[in-house]
Amino acid sequence: SYELTQPPSVSVSPGQTARLTCSGDALPKKYAYWYQQKSGQAPVLVIYEDSKRPSGIPERFSGSSSETMATLTISGAQVEDEADYYCYSTDSSGNQWVFGGGTKLTVL
Amino acid sequence: QVTLRESGPALVKPTQTLTLTCTVSGFSLNASGMSVSWIRQPPGKALEWLALIDWDDDEFYITSLKTRLAISKDTSKNHVVLRMTNTDPADTGTYYCARTLERSDYYMDVWGKGTTVTVSS
Repeated sequence: SYELTQPPSVSVSPGQTARLTCSGDALPKKYAYWYQQKSGQAPVLVIYEDSKRPSGIPERFSGSSSETMATLTISGAQVEDEADYYCYSTDSSGNQWVFGGGTKLTVL
Repeated sequence: QVTLRESGPALVKPTQTLTLTCTVSGFSLNASGMSVSWIRQPPGKALEWLALIDWDDDEFYITSLKTRLAISKDTSKNHVVLRMTNTDPADTGTYYCARTLERSDYYMDVWGKGTTVTVSS
């Protein structure tokens, strides 16, 4: 079955740039999406179609994708950005959707 | 305003069938490009996409659980229902429904708050 691989944890100090990665074999041809999940809450979409930001998401959140790796960048991370972040995409067949294992972002 | 709300039993016994209902508002289940997905999250673990039903009733299931899952919708009630047969303690977790947009891909843009299910005797 298709897998998206994320590092389990990333830690930065407030104001620093956090880069969260997601690797998958189908990413050269499939979009990546990113969800933020704060403790005890439902996920929130923060990036869609590799690099687009939904309305209401701060400009410090950006996304990119190159070859088999997608990256979520949080420029000037803030304490309130502490959360689990999940990448999401589809396999090459286009009818199996998967989440990565998630990255716990610590900002302190 | 788009909202989704999950409902169902908090506790089911192993081997029983779990039935979850997602009640949606703010969008039409028949509108072109509108779908609903079910996603679950075991305690302390990652999200797992389970199933999707789209605006013209196409159904998609995670391969590993396909024989145990059935998704359906009742547009008159704004309901999307997920049934899972032969439940196991490994099915314990929070179950979310989410509006799923069909653009270049299918992706979830608005989620419900989730409902917690425990499978235990």
